[in-house]
Amino acid sequence: QLVLTQSPSASASLGASVKLTCTLSSGHSNYAIAWHQLQPEKGPRYLMMLSSDGSHSKGDGIPDRFSGATSGAERYLTISSLQSEDEADYYCQAWDTGIRVFGGGTKLTVL
Amino acid sequence: EVQLVESGGGLVQPGGSLRLSCVASGFTFSTYAMSWVRQAPGKGLEWVSTLSNDGGDTYYADSVKGRFTISRDNSKNTLYLQMNSLRAEDTAVYYCAKDDGSGSFFTNWGQGTLVTVSS
Repeated sequence: QLVLTQSPSASASLGASVKLTCTLSSGHSNYAIAWHQLQPEKGPRYLMMLSSDGSHSKGDGIPDRFSGATSGAERYLTISSLQSEDEADYYCQAWDTGIRVFGGGTKLTVL
Repeated sequence: EVQLVESGGGLVQPGGSLRLSCVASGFTFSTYAMSWVRQAPGKGLEWVSTLSNDGGDTYYADSVKGRFTISRDNSKNTLYLQMNSLRAEDTAVYYCAKDDGSGSFFTNWGQGTLVTVSS
């Protein structure tokens, strides 16, 4: 069964960097994922697709401050030069035949 | 510019029905699979259903299977979600989402419409 695991919360200071992690379940370490951002009172926003080899393709208008990386079953989203508007919930998402799966989300607080 | 605009949300009693709509613009609607995703209060995102570009293939989360029906009208660039036998746990903001070209992940989202199931 495809399951994505995320830490519930993370925090970092304004101007600093933060790395969020999404872990794929056993047997699914070669799956690609997508990262989405959900800001308060707004609809979700697609950030990027991240492959098992670390290559990624970003959504339209996503700044260079957002980057992705892969290590084994882990998929990372790094946000550098943190800004106040980066305070949001971040979700990873994967897919299998006919289904889509989300991680539980990470609430990012910018201090 | 891709735009997805949901409508049809509201307050409904348990056991009742509601139909959501999502009007799409800015892309060739008939080319892409489309999905519904929801977020219950205080909870994370939950995939609800996906429909292939031609309407031939439908997929549902176990939590809604047998109660919800996804459909589309490509001539009207509109996606629908018919929700029957609604339960309190269906209370959520429902988002319409456009799949990528390979039907894997969501590349565009609407702003959402709130469905509240309560007596």
